[in-house]
Amino acid sequence: AQKVTQAQTEISVVEKEDVTLDCVYETRDTTYYLFWYKQPPSGELVFLIRRNSFDEQNEISGRYSWNFQKSTSSFNFTITASQVVDSAVYFCALSGPVDTGRRALTFGSGTRLQVQP
Amino acid sequence: EPEVTQTPSHQVTQMGQEVILRCVPISNHLYFYWYRQILGQKVEFLVSFYNNEISEKSEIFDDQFSVERPDGSNFTLKIRSTKLEDSAMYFCASSDGPTYGYTFGSGTRLTVV
Repeated sequence: AQKVTQAQTEISVVEKEDVTLDCVYETRDTTYYLFWYKQPPSGELVFLIRRNSFDEQNEISGRYSWNFQKSTSSFNFTITASQVVDSAVYFCALSGPVDTGRRALTFGSGTRLQVQP
Repeated sequence: EPEVTQTPSHQVTQMGQEVILRCVPISNHLYFYWYRQILGQKVEFLVSFYNNEISEKSEIFDDQFSVERPDGSNFTLKIRSTKLEDSAMYFCASSDGPTYGYTFGSGTRLTVV
């Protein structure tokens, strides 16, 4: 069975602070995919990143960066110099190997980020 | 950029009624999904659909639910005999084959009264 844990229910920071959202996952698969989605107050799910289990390189996209550590089963997300527009709920998600047909995403419970001006 | 389109954005229905939620996936995608999110909770997988049949479903997806791809563009979720606890945001998603892109629609908020 797959499981995603986002232990931080809610985080509040002041604008320009850096913030890291934690994600820990469990899976028996050797091949899997990890995702981060942003859900702003309007409710839609905005795709941020997809990473496969063989690619442990960290990734940076503007103010966003992701730290994938297979040894600790973690896929953490850092926002540098946070802005009010970053206020949202952030979900980490996990899926199985593409070729097994198990493409369902297992989501974590989400972390609500509030960035105060 | 291609989008997954869901209609309606909000639907209110009486308990016991049947509802059909509609989705138009991205045209060259092969895999289609429904997820739901009860207010304030996590997003939960319901069902995936490939090659005109269900490829995977969760425990939530019982006989009350069904999916259909009635033509080459639409993908629908039917909920029979709706209950109060079916009130949630329902998201449709689609993904392509090899690159595993995964795109969600903007959701349909279902309110059962």
